[in-house]
Amino acid sequence: KAGVTQTPRYLIKTRGQQVTLSCSPISGHRSVSWYQQTPGQGLQFLFEYFSETQRNKGNFPGRFSGRQFSNSRSEMNVSTLELGDSALYLCASRMTTGALLYEQYFGPGTRLTVT
Amino acid sequence: AQKITQTQPGMFVQEKEAVTLDCTYDTSDQSYGLFWYKQPSSGEMIFLIYQGSYDEQNATEGRYSLNFQKARKSANLVISASQLGDSAMYFCAMREGATGGFKTIFGAGTRLFVKA
Repeated sequence: KAGVTQTPRYLIKTRGQQVTLSCSPISGHRSVSWYQQTPGQGLQFLFEYFSETQRNKGNFPGRFSGRQFSNSRSEMNVSTLELGDSALYLCASRMTTGALLYEQYFGPGTRLTVT
Repeated sequence: AQKITQTQPGMFVQEKEAVTLDCTYDTSDQSYGLFWYKQPSSGEMIFLIYQGSYDEQNATEGRYSLNFQKARKSANLVISASQLGDSAMYFCAMREGATGGFKTIFGAGTRLFVKA
């Protein structure tokens, strides 16, 4: 079974631009969560989607948004990029029913650099 | 507010020995879950083990076991028979929320170095 895939793996953007990151979950996983990882703040939860609905949101400004499609693939968008948005963005998927529903599996991440 | 504390920034262990990575948590929820993840230098987060707050038995997965002490609010990871490939960053995390959607709060991590 294929794992979680994220594209692109690396991105360089300029301040003020916007960026869209993509995540394809493991087949059969309906939930997708996004996390930001930085050396200073560590791993922080951004949001979770399943059934195309945002279920939970972390403490991030409105510049960070996401969506989920009917095939469970998810995209995350960051508008008006700031230098502090430079980070590794991780996506994780999980099942939403069954005994293993709390086990999240992460993708390799997208490393975003804002200059 | 929910919080995860990992007090060991770095740990060294001799190959083939056991090592315990500490994790304490704070929550007012009755239902919660605790995880451990491994992050090698490649950056990918690898799920290791999960313990639900109502699980009476400590979780085990191969060489990994979670020493869950609910009254002390601790969820330490024990790695038995350490291998060189165990050298990585280890994160303790807590699930907040339930089946309707949840978010995961991570600790700062412990970097484990396994010596040959």
